[in-house]
Amino acid sequence: AQTVTQSQPEMSVQEAETVTLSCTYDTSESNYYLFWYKQPPSRQMILVIRQEAYKQQNATENRFSVNFQKAAKSFSLKISDSQLGDTAMYFCAFMKPTGSGNTGKLIFGQGTTLQVKP
Amino acid sequence: GAVVSQHPSRVICKSGTSVKIECRSLDFQATTMFWYRQFPKQSLMLMATSNEGSKATYEQGVEKDKFLINHASLTLSTLTVTSAHPEDSSFYICSAHSQGAQYGELFFGEGSRLTVL
Repeated sequence: AQTVTQSQPEMSVQEAETVTLSCTYDTSESNYYLFWYKQPPSRQMILVIRQEAYKQQNATENRFSVNFQKAAKSFSLKISDSQLGDTAMYFCAFMKPTGSGNTGKLIFGQGTTLQVKP
Repeated sequence: GAVVSQHPSRVICKSGTSVKIECRSLDFQATTMFWYRQFPKQSLMLMATSNEGSKATYEQGVEKDKFLINHASLTLSTLTVTSAHPEDSSFYICSAHSQGAQYGELFFGEGSRLTVL
């Protein structure tokens, strides 16, 4: 069974600085997807970034980038130039690829609450 | 982007009554929908996988007679909490998997906060 672990329950960062959220996972699959979701106080889940395991290049989306280390099963999220609107709970998630009976079920980590301070 | 709508966003009910929560995919067909439960400051726990036209698949420990799921069409799944008790109070979130999506991206509803008095 797959598991996702986020070992940082809470973190804080000063506005405009950089912060890294950690995530490790365990799987015997060779191909899969990894995601970071953001859940602000509104509780709406927002996709931040995704990574396909067969791609060696780390995904980036504007101020958000990941450090994907497949052998170490590590998938950290770096937020650059932090903004007050980045304050939210962040979840790392794992998904097997769809097809061949896989339904696209997401397995979430415990979450990290990030506070961006002015 | 794709939109998933949940209704109601908030519901308060008396203990012993049943409550229905709807999850609709507004601009795409969803062959599979997922129902999650989330307690305050905790992660999303998958309750069940809802497949159009067939019975839902429940996760271990989730009472299927308590949490009835129906996926009658490609755009609608419903979760009914039967004989609700205060311990059922929680935030319920649905997500939908788009038919034909290559990378299995999921789209989330806004969530429904259930309070059982």
